[in-house]
Amino acid sequence: EPEVTQTPSHQVTQMGQEVILRCVPISNHLYFYWYRQILGQKVEFLVSFYNNEISEKSEIFDDQFSVERPDGSNFTLKIRSTKLEDSAMYFCASVFPKTQETQYFGPGTRLLVL
Amino acid sequence: GNSVTQMEGPVTLSEEAFLTINCTYTATGYPSLFWYVQYPGEGLQLLLKATKADDKGSNKGFEATYRKETTSFHLEKGSVQVSDSAVYFCALSGYGGATNKLIFGTGTLLAVQP
Repeated sequence: EPEVTQTPSHQVTQMGQEVILRCVPISNHLYFYWYRQILGQKVEFLVSFYNNEISEKSEIFDDQFSVERPDGSNFTLKIRSTKLEDSAMYFCASVFPKTQETQYFGPGTRLLVL
Repeated sequence: GNSVTQMEGPVTLSEEAFLTINCTYTATGYPSLFWYVQYPGEGLQLLLKATKADDKGSNKGFEATYRKETTSFHLEKGSVQVSDSAVYFCALSGYGGATNKLIFGTGTLLAVQP
């Protein structure tokens, strides 16, 4: 069965550094999402992406964040200058088509900012 | 705004016990409702869903009924197994947004003892 994959599984970085989290959505999916889960808290929506542009973003998704689909298969989340509070599990999800609504999640990347 | 409230965990049960995890929601319109499960060290997996009032979602012995009158979507299983130990998330689709982002509850940790 096709699945969403994410790399790396774990990343440790210093505050102020840039990180790029990578996701490979299911190949025929059209909508892509990033969510995050701070330890012990709920899963929160960050951003959705369709047709090579952001379709919706939350208030968490400020100017430090960006997303890109650089080559038609990968979907990346970049944090330009990490803060301690960016430490979380980041999940990528994809869905096809929109009306089916079932989002398929990757296993997540655990980001630790020191 | 839209929100999901789940019962606090952890829930600890003996094998073959009956499980109920409560979930209520606040939403405008008629969202779709979901239960996702997160096994240790893994990503979020869709367990079941319901897209309209009075629908019952079911999978792997788990059931939940979309109750519009009580704005609830409680998860039940008649006889839990040790392998059901996981975190369970209730979620609704982000009705009214540009995309069907998911809004999650806080998650409920279920621990099943042999």
